[in-house]
Parts: sequence; C-alpha cells; structure tokens
Amino acid sequence: GEDVEQSLFLSVREGDSSVINCTYTDSSSTYLYWYKQEPGAGLQLLTYIFSNMDMKQDQRLTVLLNKKDKHLSLRIADTQTGDSAIYFCAESPNYGGSQGNLIFGKGTKLSVKP
Amino acid sequence: EAGVAQSPRYKIIEKRQSVAFWCNPISGHATLYWYQQILGQGPKLLIQFQNNGVVDDSQLPKDRFSAERLKGVDSTLKIQPAKLEDSAVYLCASSLGGEQPQHFGDGTRLSIL
Repeated sequence: GEDVEQSLFLSVREGDSSVINCTYTDSSSTYLYWYKQEPGAGLQLLTYIFSNMDMKQDQRLTVLLNKKDKHLSLRIADTQTGDSAIYFCAESPNYGGSQGNLIFGKGTKLSVKP
Repeated sequence: EAGVAQSPRYKIIEKRQSVAFWCNPISGHATLYWYQQILGQGPKLLIQFQNNGVVDDSQLPKDRFSAERLKGVDSTLKIQPAKLEDSAVYLCASSLGGEQPQHFGDGTRLSIL
C-alpha cells in the first residue's frame, strides 16, 4: 500500500538547523517531493529529488534520500522565523495511468523561536 | 509566470446545498489535479485530468462530486449536495505532465454549516 509518515511537530531556535524526516512505502516512486504550506495558503514546491540520487542541495535546503530504508529528510540550514510553516513530504507512485499522482504525509509543523 | 488561480477563496454553505469551485492552471500545463485537504491532513487526490480527459477519478465520491475540464484549460469541481464531512480546503494543481512537479493554487476553503 501507499503510506507516507512524518513526525507532526518540530521546534527549533532561529539560526539552528532543522531536520524534517519522512518515510514512504512505494519503491516505484521516481521522484520524492517536499512542499511548504503557510497558513491560509496552498502548497509551495520547495524541492524534489530523483530516486537514483542520494542527496540534493539547493541554497539552504539539503535533501537526503535513503532508498533502501525508504527514508527522506529535509534539512534547512540557518532556520529563520519565516520558515515557520507545515512541511509535507510526498511520493509519486508509478502505477497504471495515474503517473504523477502525489501521496502526501500529514505534514510536519515547524515552529521557529526567535 | 502566473500561478494556478482558484476561486472563490472561501465559501460557506449549508448542508445539502450545492457549490462549485473554479481553477485556471498555469498556461501550457496539460495535467490538472483536484485535491481535498481536510484539517490536519495532507492533500488527497480527487481527480486528475490530462488535457480534457480524466486519467484517475477513483477517489472521487461520484454520487455527489463532479468535475470537468471541457476545453482542456479551466476546470470546475462541483459538490451536490454537500455534507458536513466535505468541509475542507479544495486545492487545484497543474503540471506539464508525467512526473513533472505539480504547482498548487491557494485553494478554496469550504465550510459546511
């Protein structure tokens, strides 16, 4: 089956690094995604990683993928108060005609304390 | 590049009434998705269109929900009649297709009284 698990809450101090973890179940996913949702807004695509990569870095964001353990993480360096939001991990299983359908976790609420 | 546009932003109706949401995807995006996001949950796919054809509507409650994308651009999602459990944010997303990243609109927040 398809299931994406994330811890629900994370609290960090401004300037520290944040690490948000995610586990997924479908090994057919070609890409894995991280989205950010601020209150009252839609989902903003932060970054995504191809399944044959171990790591992807994009400015303050680092994505690590352990395909063997089906574990994905998002590290935010020098976390700022503006990073406070809910972060969603998503997989994109390959089956039938539903290529591209995203399966989301419940989201991790990141709180950044000044 | 203009993002995915959705309207209205908010809607309050009574149960058993009807409601419709509208989505205009990013120009050139062939694939359009409607998701339902219940409070405290991640979005769940309702329906996926490729141009004006339905690719996946297996999670759409077809006894009350309907969606169309007649000209392969804009899309409407309708609920008729609404139930209390339909209270949620309805998100529209679009992509170039395949496993290209999906880009989301700000959603329509629906409250059922």
